[in-house]
Amino acid sequence: QVHLQESGPGLVKPSETLSLTCTVSGDSVTNGNYYWNWIRQPPGKGLEWIGYMYYSGSTNYNPSLKSRVTISIDTSKNQFSLKLTSVTAADTAVYYCARFFEYWGQGTLVTVSS
Amino acid sequence: EIVLTQSPGTLSLSPGERASLSCRTSQSVSSSYVAWYQQKPGQAPRLLIFGASSRATGIPDRFSGSGSGTDFTLTISRLEPEDFAVYYCLHYGGSPTFGPGSKVDIK
Repeated sequence: QVHLQESGPGLVKPSETLSLTCTVSGDSVTNGNYYWNWIRQPPGKGLEWIGYMYYSGSTNYNPSLKSRVTISIDTSKNQFSLKLTSVTAADTAVYYCARFFEYWGQGTLVTVSS
Repeated sequence: EIVLTQSPGTLSLSPGERASLSCRTSQSVSSSYVAWYQQKPGQAPRLLIFGASSRATGIPDRFSGSGSGTDFTLTISRLEPEDFAVYYCLHYGGSPTFGPGSKVDIK
């Protein structure tokens, strides 16, 4: 059974960088059959795809966030990570990691506030 | 950029009734890249349908998906109490995009 778990700070100050990690169990981030996604959901609103990465290193980012997003993979820890720079209150959301769009983590709330 | 529109925004039905939810794309897409999700409060979305009409593992057969081109439909044949939730469609080709969601609530 594939399991994903997000971790990282729940509070980030405006203009700083949001950093989250997704730990994968039941599969390997080196599995070339799938890409590894980040998705977010502002409180009370809909889902927004952030981006994904293949183990090969290729990435695909949401055009609206592309200038601020980096997704990377750490094979030694079987994890993948999200960095979102220059955050504002509009980046407050539950952040989910997912294998492809099939298996999702439980999500972690990140609040941007001073 | 492909934009997804879902209707109705809210559907009020009773258990046992049939629910039909619509997802329209701003341009024709391959049905291979259309999925449907169910989300309950405080939970992650749950994959119901992928490839427009294939049920994900463990999904009851009262859930079915159909459509092609720009028009896709999720049908719940007989609503069970646990089916009252928000439903999202997703196009996962190119630059993936979610629809805004449709809420199915109890009448």
